[in-house]
Amino acid sequence: QVQLQESGPGLVKPSETLSLTCTVSGDSISGGNYYWSWIRQPPGKGLEWIGYIYYTGSTNYNPSLKSRVTMSVDTSKNQFSLKLRSVSAADTAEYYCALTGLHWYFALWGRGTLVTVSS
Amino acid sequence: DIQMTQSPSSLSASVGDRVTITCRASQNIGSYLNWYQQQPGKAPELLIYTASSLQSGAPSRFGGGGSGTNFTLTISSLQLEDFATYYCQQSYSTPLSFGGGTKVEIK
Repeated sequence: QVQLQESGPGLVKPSETLSLTCTVSGDSISGGNYYWSWIRQPPGKGLEWIGYIYYTGSTNYNPSLKSRVTMSVDTSKNQFSLKLRSVSAADTAEYYCALTGLHWYFALWGRGTLVTVSS
Repeated sequence: DIQMTQSPSSLSASVGDRVTITCRASQNIGSYLNWYQQQPGKAPELLIYTASSLQSGAPSRFGGGGSGTNFTLTISSLQLEDFATYYCQQSYSTPLSFGGGTKVEIK
């Protein structure tokens, strides 16, 4: 079955860049049947959609983060990635990657990875 | 942007109770409304998509309804494993957005 797994540093310094990768197993990112999303959740708070990428590299970002976000896809590794620049404490959150249906619902989630922004 | 408002923000209920959670959109979103369950310390899981379609593997005691701006998630007979936080999400337009969540606790 399809599985997603986030990876990346758990601690990032303020003003630096947060970088995460999601590895997909059990299906091909290049299949074209899904979008691939990033979603975050600050500790004890609700969910915020960051954006999605299609296997072609086409992206759609949340305007609230658009100026700081870059997503990319590596079909040869079956991975997609998130970069968030100029982070602050407000970016401390659990970050999830998610398989996203073509009607934009999040059908399958990774287990999440906690990223803390602190010096 | 579309704002999603859930009510209540929390509720207490007993095993076997029928529970209904409401989600309201700030504009007409048709049937583009999805529901998720999040257990403590775990990732959310999709329960219902496009307002009333049950995700494969989700228990049949979960049901979704509504259209336009008003939607409901109903648990017909609450089980122990249903004590969790529930989120609605609109998929009508980007930016995709979630409700604030409803925490279902044991009475």
